[in-house]
Amino acid sequence: QITLKESGPTLVKPTQTLTLTCTFSGFSLSTSGVGVGWVRQPPGKALEWLALIYWDDDQRYNPSLKSGLTITKDTSKNQVVLTMTNMDPVDTATYYCVHFYYGSGSHGFDYWGQGTLVTVSS
Amino acid sequence: DIQMTQSPSTLSASVGDRVTITCRASQSISSWLAWYQQRPGKAPKVLIYQASNLESGVPSRFSGSGSGTDFTLTISSLQPDDFATYSCQQYDRYPYTFGQGTKLEIK
Repeated sequence: QITLKESGPTLVKPTQTLTLTCTFSGFSLSTSGVGVGWVRQPPGKALEWLALIYWDDDQRYNPSLKSGLTITKDTSKNQVVLTMTNMDPVDTATYYCVHFYYGSGSHGFDYWGQGTLVTVSS
Repeated sequence: DIQMTQSPSTLSASVGDRVTITCRASQSISSWLAWYQQRPGKAPKVLIYQASNLESGVPSRFSGSGSGTDFTLTISSLQPDDFATYSCQQYDRYPYTFGQGTKLEIK
């Protein structure tokens, strides 16, 4: 059974750096084709893909946010960490961790964490 | 970036109705399209992957079709549980992008 869970601060101040951790179980991030990523959703708005990291440490970012994003993995701990620098109130959103398989058998983002609401406010 | 445009933005329907939601990509994405259902306060759930494949455990009243730039999600007979927001997503090219969502409301 695949599960993912996000953790991190619920409130950050403008200009601060946000660090979110995704802790997962039920799969290995060392298996070929497997990736873990982040998607966010501002209140009442659409979903936005942020970043993905793959089993081979290939990292992909949304160019609209690239300069402020870093995604890393710790395979031994079954964790993926996302950092976002220079947070702004427009970054207030629910942040989701997702499982992804890259390849002909891909089901899209087939498993999601419960999400964590991050508010950016002074 | 590939733009994903859904229509309509809001859809009012009754239990038992057949409804169709469309999603158009700004360029061809082959069949690399997924549909998600999202209930208020919950994470999205994949319904359809690769445009027309039903995810395991999803009721057969949901179906998807299309390829290239034009896609549809059809619910053959609406159930009370189906009133939610539906989003399409392309995963052909980075950055992966979502449609703006279609809110399915009870008429």
